[in-house]
Amino acid sequence: DSGVTQTPKHLITATGQRVTLRCSPRSGDLSVYWYQQSLDQGLQFLIQYYNGEERAKGNILERFSAQQFPDLHSELNLSSLELGDSALYFCASSTPSGGRSDTQYFGPGTRLTVL
Amino acid sequence: DAKTTQPPSMDCAEGRAANLPCNHSTISGNEYVYWYRQIHSQGPQYIIHGLKNNETNEMASLIITEDRKSSTLILPHATLRDTAVYYCIVRVAIYNAGNMLTFGGGTRLMVKP
Repeated sequence: DSGVTQTPKHLITATGQRVTLRCSPRSGDLSVYWYQQSLDQGLQFLIQYYNGEERAKGNILERFSAQQFPDLHSELNLSSLELGDSALYFCASSTPSGGRSDTQYFGPGTRLTVL
Repeated sequence: DAKTTQPPSMDCAEGRAANLPCNHSTISGNEYVYWYRQIHSQGPQYIIHGLKNNETNEMASLIITEDRKSSTLILPHATLRDTAVYYCIVRVAIYNAGNMLTFGGGTRLMVKP
């Protein structure tokens, strides 16, 4: 158990709909990352937040957005869903581990199926 | 971040050591070597990381060559539960610097009875 929690575990929805995925980081971690894993693309970084502020963006579609709240939990919003958005979505959080290195710990993921 | 090269698949007998190689010939001086694994469709699991010295923890050992251009992850006594995809990632790891993990194809390790 990494200490990172994600809800829901599974989500089935229809094309055109909007969903929200939730992530609670490990206690004390200020940084949250979102990753997408689809069958044909592998694990890809989407976006990072640190203490409520967006810090880095990857290959995140404009239909996707995220935010981090004052209690440090984060939400990933996916709108106008398409069949190709079906994937596993992982959240990770990190904390400095001495010196200049930091380690990301991943949650169990949310499996999104768009029908 | 430096690119890594890993064999796509490996087999290992249960109880034997599993040695997973990784080539990162373009690594920079401030880049760490990280290893993660993913069992089936679970979240990637952190294993170990290092900068230039060899590292060991309760899960594995990491051997980094002196020129830092390659490394080997060693699982000393592989079990069936170690069957997974293992990812070697090289990255600058400055906390809060927006340095995400870039996953390649990894090595699919199959531990056989």
